[in-house]
Amino acid sequence: GDSVTQMEGPVTLSEEAFLTINCTYTATGYPSLFWYVQYPGEGLQLLLKATKADDKGSNKGFEATYRKETTSFHLEKGSVQVSDSAVYFCVLRGSGNTGKLIFGQGTTLQVKP
Amino acid sequence: SAVISQKPSRDICQRGTSLTIQCQVDSQVTMMFWYRQQPGQSLTLIATANQGSEATYESGFVIDKFPISRPNLTFSTLTVSNMSPEDSSIYLCSARDRSGNTEAFFGQGTRLTVV
Repeated sequence: GDSVTQMEGPVTLSEEAFLTINCTYTATGYPSLFWYVQYPGEGLQLLLKATKADDKGSNKGFEATYRKETTSFHLEKGSVQVSDSAVYFCVLRGSGNTGKLIFGQGTTLQVKP
Repeated sequence: SAVISQKPSRDICQRGTSLTIQCQVDSQVTMMFWYRQQPGQSLTLIATANQGSEATYESGFVIDKFPISRPNLTFSTLTVSNMSPEDSSIYLCSARDRSGNTEAFFGQGTRLTVV
């Protein structure tokens, strides 16, 4: 079945450092891919998405490119801030349009001043 | 975008009792889902709440333990029955429209502690 594997955390960075959180997936057909973020004490929010191969999703300085050849959707940000500290989830929705989301295990990011 | 309200936001319950969680969406949506997030874990889909028919449960989840209702296109409930400490989790409601925007929205979650 469909699955998502993402980089284990926690990831601890200094402010202004470069961030990469790796995510790879297994799916049949043409899934849609998402990054969701969960800030401390808050609900899940969509950070960015890509619905087809070679699409680049971007938001708030974060980017991820849908790479079908490597089945990856790595999250990157050039310069992290303390306010980026959160749990990040790589998420897949299969092409069958059932609406079901498959979540990666989540990566906790802590940014220190 | 859709706004999803869940209640209660948290509860502490005695083992053997049941808790019903409500999920209200501010617009009509085709699809509603219930997820569980156990402590320190990722989200796992419990079931898809179908309007006007029985919910579709994922492997490992059964209707007797997690009965779900969806009487209309904006509301659903999840009941956690005969609770044990292992049911302590965050339960999240999610909604998405089948057509158009592919984004799924989430409620704030219900933090359940069973003692």
